[in-house]
Amino acid sequence: ETGVTQSPTHLIKTRGQQVTLRCSSQSGHNTVSWYQQALGQGPQFIFQYYREEENGRGNFPPRFSGLQFPNYSSELNVNALELDDSALYLCASSPGGWTGGAGYTFGSGTRLTVV
Amino acid sequence: KQEVTQIPAALSVPEGENLVLNCSFTDSAIYNLQWFRQDPGKGLTSLLLIQSSQREQTSGRLNASLDKSSGRSTLYIAASQPGDSATYLCAVTTSGTYKYIFGTGTRLKVLA
Repeated sequence: ETGVTQSPTHLIKTRGQQVTLRCSSQSGHNTVSWYQQALGQGPQFIFQYYREEENGRGNFPPRFSGLQFPNYSSELNVNALELDDSALYLCASSPGGWTGGAGYTFGSGTRLTVV
Repeated sequence: KQEVTQIPAALSVPEGENLVLNCSFTDSAIYNLQWFRQDPGKGLTSLLLIQSSQREQTSGRLNASLDKSSGRSTLYIAASQPGDSATYLCAVTTSGTYKYIFGTGTRLKVLA
């Protein structure tokens, strides 16, 4: 098992720019979820992908979009960055669709700063 | 709408103390509840997962209980150590959904 890896670790972008964050799922996991965690807050669910299709979405605008690839790695894209998008972005993978939380494994996150 | 609240927001205790962290949720129709640990600037590590049909789970010095009817869970840490210093997050998922809803966490500091 290699765990969940996210890249980059840190990123600084200018307001209005676009950003792509990447996540490599744990071996054997075909479901990935993305969360946004603002400073001092709990993570907020953005969306989940299962077998390359979006499988649930939180209360985030369409400028937050994602992709999941055949090898189950994933990307989170954010367009037209705003200052409030500054946060820790977390990726979590899990095995085989919805397993009731078992094996839900988080990566270390990407710290995005928008200036 | 499900909301998760954690009390206290911060806690500082001397090494060796037993302590209790509290989590409450507004919708009792949960599928499961997880307690996570987060070190500063890092990702989340799952500590304990309690399915809706279970009352408690134990792992080492940690014990988590779940009372679905009252919308409460507690995380009990026995004989706290400085290495336990971290933020502890409680999260629930509601039946039929695919997302975890998190509380804002309890920041724990254990003093040597």
